[in-house]
Amino acid sequence: AQSVTQPDIHITVSEGASLELRCNYSYGATPYLFWYVQSPGQGLQLLLKYFSGDTLVQGIKGFEAEFKRSQSSFNLRKPSVHWSDAAEYFCAVGRGSARQLTFGSGTQLTVLP
Amino acid sequence: DSGVTQTPKHLITATGQRVTLRCSPRSGDLSVYWYQQSLDQGLQFLIQYYNGEERAKGNILERFSAQQFPDLHSELNLSSLELGDSALYFCASSSDGGYTFGSGTRLTVV
Repeated sequence: AQSVTQPDIHITVSEGASLELRCNYSYGATPYLFWYVQSPGQGLQLLLKYFSGDTLVQGIKGFEAEFKRSQSSFNLRKPSVHWSDAAEYFCAVGRGSARQLTFGSGTQLTVLP
Repeated sequence: DSGVTQTPKHLITATGQRVTLRCSPRSGDLSVYWYQQSLDQGLQFLIQYYNGEERAKGNILERFSAQQFPDLHSELNLSSLELGDSALYFCASSSDGGYTFGSGTRLTVV
């Protein structure tokens, strides 16, 4: 069965510092990979997605992610974090012909001033 | 505004009751997905409809059911509610493999 692991439950960074959120997946075929962000009391906003092609994907709000098949990873990065980036981040993999999503458990990001 | 509309935003009800959550997908999207987000289970896929037909089922309880109507809006029916059903219920719609989520319905069972 497919699964998504986000090993970091909580990450704290200072504003302006770089950020990397880890995501590992287990899936038998070529995965469809996603990163979503959820602010308190809000829905899920798509940051970026990977279906195929270039393994470095650019998203909104200055985020990028790199698909590494050999490591089964899809880590999210941002070179300089802003206070407004504080939120919970979810990695997800789309599976099956219906492509319903399997989510990781999320990483809570705190940004220090 | 994501284009996916969910109503109501909040719902408080008693155990044993039945509620209906409503979702209107983005214009043109034929697929509707329902997800449940709870503290202990995280985000879980419940069920998917495509153009009125059930397409896939996930961890959906027998007490829960859903349908998609000809105008493509969908309803998730939750019955015989238990305290453990308290959660945030999301609807998402999809057309090109990208998913757009609504802002969710927060259900509190007391």
